Amino acid sequence: AQTVTQSQPEMSVQEAETVTLSCTYDTSESNYYLFWYKQPPSRQMILVIRQEAYKQQNATENRFSVNFQKAAKSFSLKISDSQLGDTAMYFCAFMKQTGNQFYFGTGTSLTVIP
Amino acid sequence: NAGVTQTPKFQVLKTGQSMTLQCAQDMNHNSMYWYRQDPGMGLRLIYYSASEGTTDKGEVPNGYNVSRLNKREFSLRLESAAPSQTSVYFCASRPRGTGGGGYTFGSGTRLTVV
Repeated sequence: AQTVTQSQPEMSVQEAETVTLSCTYDTSESNYYLFWYKQPPSRQMILVIRQEAYKQQNATENRFSVNFQKAAKSFSLKISDSQLGDTAMYFCAFMKQTGNQFYFGTGTSLTVIP
Repeated sequence: NAGVTQTPKFQVLKTGQSMTLQCAQDMNHNSMYWYRQDPGMGLRLIYYSASEGTTDKGEVPNGYNVSRLNKREFSLRLESAAPSQTSVYFCASRPRGTGGGGYTFGSGTRLTVV
């Protein structure tokens, strides 16, 4: 079975500062995908960033980047130059390479303080 | 381009009542999914349909049935609603061969069973 753990239920950061959200996972699979999704109060699930496990290079998307440590089964999200619009719940998720199902963590509620 | 449309957005049911949640996508996606999100938890898969004419159970299928009516539509039915089914329900879709990516989520249905 796959499990995803987010150990930080809530975090806050000052506007324009940098924050890192933690995620660890457990799997016996060799090939898989990892994701960070953002869920603002509107409830919409928005893909922030995606990482393929076979790629050693960490994924980046503008102000968002990940630190993917495959051996440690760790997948943290760094948000640089935080903006008020980044306030949301953030979910880490896992999917087998041949799978159909997301396995989500319990989420981290991020508040950006002006 | 509407993406994934869910109806209704909100619903209150009495214990024992039945209802169908509707989902439609206009992106010609092959696969469709139903997830539920409970407080303090990530999304969990209820059922999915890898292609038109097929459906499979996910992690938490008990108490639900689904119908893949055609390529566009995937409905979720609660035959006899229970308070434990109070949740936010998300429909999602993705095209074939996107290697873990390409998911589009609907905006969710908040269901309360009293």
